[in-house]
This record gives sequence, structure tokens and C-alpha cells, in this order.
Amino acid sequence: NAGVTQTPKFRVLKTGQSMTLLCAQDMNHEYMYWYRQDPGMGLRLIHYSVGEGTTAKGEVPDGYNVSRLKKQNFLLGLESAAPSQTSVYFCASSPPGQSPYEQYFGPGTRLTVT
Amino acid sequence: EDQVTQSPEALRLQEGESSSLNCSYTVSGLRGLFWYRQDPGKGPEFLFTLYSAGEEKEKERLKATLTKKESFLHITAPKPEDSATYLCAVHPSPDKLIFGTGTRLQVFP
Repeated sequence: NAGVTQTPKFRVLKTGQSMTLLCAQDMNHEYMYWYRQDPGMGLRLIHYSVGEGTTAKGEVPDGYNVSRLKKQNFLLGLESAAPSQTSVYFCASSPPGQSPYEQYFGPGTRLTVT
Repeated sequence: EDQVTQSPEALRLQEGESSSLNCSYTVSGLRGLFWYRQDPGKGPEFLFTLYSAGEEKEKERLKATLTKKESFLHITAPKPEDSATYLCAVHPSPDKLIFGTGTRLQVFP
């Protein structure tokens, strides 16, 4: 099992550019999440999904969109990147039948917006 | 307002020197409290879930405890490989998980 994987690992964007971050999990988990982690702040939830075809907003959803077309994949899109979106982005997933917040995290994507 | 505060921000220990990390919380209702370990450049790794006051969980040199207002992560006789940032998170409602900013632990041989 690869667990939770994220693509790409690093990316530099210019203000106004768009990009998509890909999260994939091979553990058949129902729940998937996108977080951002900034220095001096805790992990903050951007969007989450409780199953294929469903998405919901988290704490800081503005400027981001998500899609969950397949159970194993969760995509995070930035339509028009801003310097405030410079951060490390983590994807996580949770198995069914347990507390939805016993989460398994990916290795992260470090995004810089100039 | 739901809030999680971890202390200290950073902790330096000599190998074998036991200590505790603190996670204090203010939430309207607690469905669970979680501890994670995060190594530099990696994602958080799940350690423990605690659900009610008085509960304790152990894993190797780590022991987590929970009261009505705070949780402690006790580290007994730490080794250099225990060096990491330890994150606490609370689950006050079905769609909400609040993380603290973490305690950065360094253990020196």
C-alpha cells in the first residue's frame, strides 16, 4: 500500500496562474480532506469529502475548489493563485467505521506563489 | 470560540530526561482529542485518540492522558528518534477538527 500520495511535491506559481493538486489513496477510505499548514498556525481545513461525488467547505475555503469524481482521488484547484496561498498543503483520508478524524496524511505539497 | 493551545512551543531534552507536553482546549463539546507526530517535511502521523476524561493511551515511550480541560503527552526516557513536532487536535463537532500549533521536541544524545 502506498497510503496517501500527493502530486506534485513542490510548485512555484505566479500570481493569477491556476493549478490542480492531486491526492490519491489506495486504502478504500470514504473521507478525504485538504488542509493548509502555515508557520505559527495549526493545520486548517480547506475542503473535505465524505464520499465519492460529495464535497463540503471547511474553515478556509475561499480561493479553492475541489472535486471527488472517484473514491480514491481528491483534487484541489486554485483558479487564480495569490501570494496568500503560499503554504504547505496536506491531503488526508479516514477509513469507514472509525472516528472520521483518525486521519492518515500524505507527504504534503509545498506551494509558493510569487 | 473553540480553541486549542499547546505548550511549550519548543522543548529541548537530554536523552533519558522525561517530560510532558500540554494541550489545553476550550470547546463547546468534545467528541475526541487526537495526538499526531510530524517529522520535518512530512505529513502528520496519527498517535492516539482520547474520548473521555480519565482515559489514558500508551505507545512505546509515549503516554497520553485527558482531563476535562487539557491533555498531556508524557514522554518517558526519550531517545533522539523521538524528536519531532507533536500536534494536538480536538473534534468538537462532526464537521470540525481544530489543530494546535504544536510543540517542537528535540532530544539530544
